[in-house]
Amino acid sequence: DQQVKQNSPSLSVQEGRISILNCDYTNSMFDYFLWYKKYPAEGPTFLISISSIKDKNEDGRFTVFLNKSAKHLSLHIVPSQPGDSAVYFCAASRPISGTYKYIFGTGTRLKVLA
Amino acid sequence: DVKVTQSSRYLVKRTGEKVFLECVQDMDHENMFWYRQDPGLGLRLIYFSYDVKMKEKGDIPEGYSVSREKKERFSLILESASTNQTSMYLCASSLVRVRAFSGNTIYFGEGSWLTVV
Repeated sequence: DQQVKQNSPSLSVQEGRISILNCDYTNSMFDYFLWYKKYPAEGPTFLISISSIKDKNEDGRFTVFLNKSAKHLSLHIVPSQPGDSAVYFCAASRPISGTYKYIFGTGTRLKVLA
Repeated sequence: DVKVTQSSRYLVKRTGEKVFLECVQDMDHENMFWYRQDPGLGLRLIYFSYDVKMKEKGDIPEGYSVSREKKERFSLILESASTNQTSMYLCASSLVRVRAFSGNTIYFGEGSWLTVV
């Protein structure tokens, strides 16, 4: 059962335009969400996060939007740059057994065309 | 800067071998995690630990075990490696969450590529 889904395996965007990456989740117990970026043969690196009590968080070119009623979050990158080309994972956290668990999606490969 | 170090970047093992993947973090984090990454399947949680000698099963624990004897070290063990365990393995760590609606960044190591032949 995939609790965190990224339905678009890949996305191509022109340099300077907006990239929008989407993520859906099924478990209403998730209360904290994160986005990670991954280059080939490297570990994922943290980009931005959002608590479920907020609907938007912004950090430079990156903005994450959360729609709790739809169980949907999105990552906006504006303007997109060739160096943004990577695989992006969303992650969701929920309590379990007195601690918290992080579940990741399947990833979206972003290609920014120069 | 947080440093999560995975001792082996590339390993080739034979079917049936016992395999140890070692991970060390230097930031005194309580939580440590093992994920595997496969094309089309994303990052799947194998095991995690929120304290020394404590462990919790993730979503795909079958065929794996873990050991956490010291706070900074979390080992993943493949008791009898099989070809379907060929994958990229990612270790990660984070501070413990202390309250709802907040969270901590998970920091990842560089990954270990395991090929089982």
